[in-house]
Amino acid sequence: GIQVEQSPPDLILQEGANSTLRCNFSDSVNNLQWFHQNPWGQLINLFYIPSGTKQNGRLSATTVATERYSLLYISSSQTTDSGVYFCAVERSTGNQFYFGTGTSLTVIP
Amino acid sequence: EAGVAQSPRYKIIEKRQSVAFWCNPISGHATLYWYQQILGQGPKLLIQFQNNGVVDDSQLPKDRFSAERLKGVDSTLKIQPAKLEDSAVYLCASSFNSYNSPLHFGNGTRLTVT
Repeated sequence: GIQVEQSPPDLILQEGANSTLRCNFSDSVNNLQWFHQNPWGQLINLFYIPSGTKQNGRLSATTVATERYSLLYISSSQTTDSGVYFCAVERSTGNQFYFGTGTSLTVIP
Repeated sequence: EAGVAQSPRYKIIEKRQSVAFWCNPISGHATLYWYQQILGQGPKLLIQFQNNGVVDDSQLPKDRFSAERLKGVDSTLKIQPAKLEDSAVYLCASSFNSYNSPLHFGNGTRLTVT
C-alpha cells in the first residue's frame, strides 16, 4: 500500500501562534483530505484538496501532487484547534483512502 | 444535510461476546466505509461498499468480523466473538461515489472489550 507520513508527530503551541503541518506520501494520488479529530473523537473535514491551495478562515492547505506532499497551515491558533490532524490519500490506482499517523496539536492559553 | 449517523455511541462487552454497530450514511451517498481506529493510530479501512456490493474487504478479519449493506443504504458491522484487541473506535464514513468524492465521517462507536 501507499505510505503516508505526517510531521511533526506532536506539537505544542501558545495561543495565537502559527504552525505548519506536513503530509508526505509515497505514490501518486487522486485525492487528499485533511481532517481534524477533536478530543471527543469526531473526525471533521477540513479540506478536500487533491492539488493546489485552498483557504478557510484561519486554515489553509496546499497540495503539490507532483512532489507528493501536502501542507496544512494554521494561523493565530486557538485552544479549540487542539486535537489530532490527519491527512488521508486516495491512490491513483485504487479507491481506498489511506490515513497518516496524525499530528497531535495542543494549544495552550 | 444530515450527517452520517452511528449507534451506539459506546459499548462495553466481555471477550467472546458478540456486538453489532449500525451506520446510516448521508442520503444519496453510494459508497460506505467502516474504519477501525485503535488508540494513537490513524483509522484503518475494514470494508468498503459501493451500493450493496463489497468493493474491498481485504483488511477485514473475516473469522470474526462481518458486515452487510443489504439495501444499499444503512449498514451493520458485527464482531463475533470479540477479543481484547478489538477495543477501538469503529468509524463509519460515506461518500457520494468511490472516486473523487470526499469522505464524511460519523461520530463513531467506542468499543471496550474486557
